[in-house]
Amino acid sequence: GAGVSQSPRYKVAKRGQDVALRCDPISGHVSLFWYQQALGQGPEFLTYFQNEAQLDKSGLPSDRFFAERPEGSVSTLKIQRTQQEDSAVYLCASSLALLGSGGVTYNEQFFGPGTRLTVL
Amino acid sequence: AQTVTQSQPEMSVQEAETVTLSCTYDTSESNYYLFWYKQPPSRQMILVIRQEAYKQQNATENRFSVNFQKAAKSFSLKISDSQLGDTAMYFCALRKAGKSTFGDGTTLTVKP
Repeated sequence: GAGVSQSPRYKVAKRGQDVALRCDPISGHVSLFWYQQALGQGPEFLTYFQNEAQLDKSGLPSDRFFAERPEGSVSTLKIQRTQQEDSAVYLCASSLALLGSGGVTYNEQFFGPGTRLTVL
Repeated sequence: AQTVTQSQPEMSVQEAETVTLSCTYDTSESNYYLFWYKQPPSRQMILVIRQEAYKQQNATENRFSVNFQKAAKSFSLKISDSQLGDTAMYFCALRKAGKSTFGDGTTLTVKP
C-alpha cells in the first residue's frame, strides 16, 4: 500500500509568516510522530500522537509550534511567525502500536519523505 | 534525558568488505529499544535493524548485525559484504515509549 506522504515537499516562507505542514500516515497506523532534522544532524523528536491524543509534546521548541491530529489520521504541524532557525526538514513517521515485553511499546516507524522548510 | 552519540561522522569501505559503525548512548531506563536507520541521499529513512534492550542475543538481519553491549551502553552496526547500495547516512536511535532520540549520523560511502 501507499507509504507515509507529506505535503508540501518544499516550502519557502518569509520570516514572520505562518506555515502548515501536512502528514498523511499509512492507513490504520495508530501512532504518528513529528521530527525536525537540521542540515547534517539527526532527527530531533517534536511530538507524538496515539490516535487523536497528543501524548508527548516535549520536543516542540516553542509555543510557536503546534501540532494536531483531530480525527486520528492526518496530522498538521503548524509553525507561527516563522524564524530563520526554523529552517529544517520536518519528518513525519507513523506506526502500528504494539505492546512489547516489559511494558515497553515497540513499533516500527515508517518515515515520510519530509518537508524542507526554508525561512528567508 | 536520553543521549545518543555517533563518533564517526564519515566512513568509507570497499565493496564486498566489512565495516562497523559505532554508537554509544546514555539512558536511565532499563527497558528500551535501539535502532539503526538508513537514509540514502534524497530518499526516505528506513529501518535497518532493531534490538530490544532486554534481549542479550544480538540482532541479525541478513548482512546487517549488531554488537549490543548493555553495560557499556554500546550498540554498533556491522555491515558485511558491503554493496554500493549501502551508501547512505546511518542513524543510531534509542526509543522509550513514543520518544526516539537519534545520533547525528555516520555518512557511509561504499567504493567500487
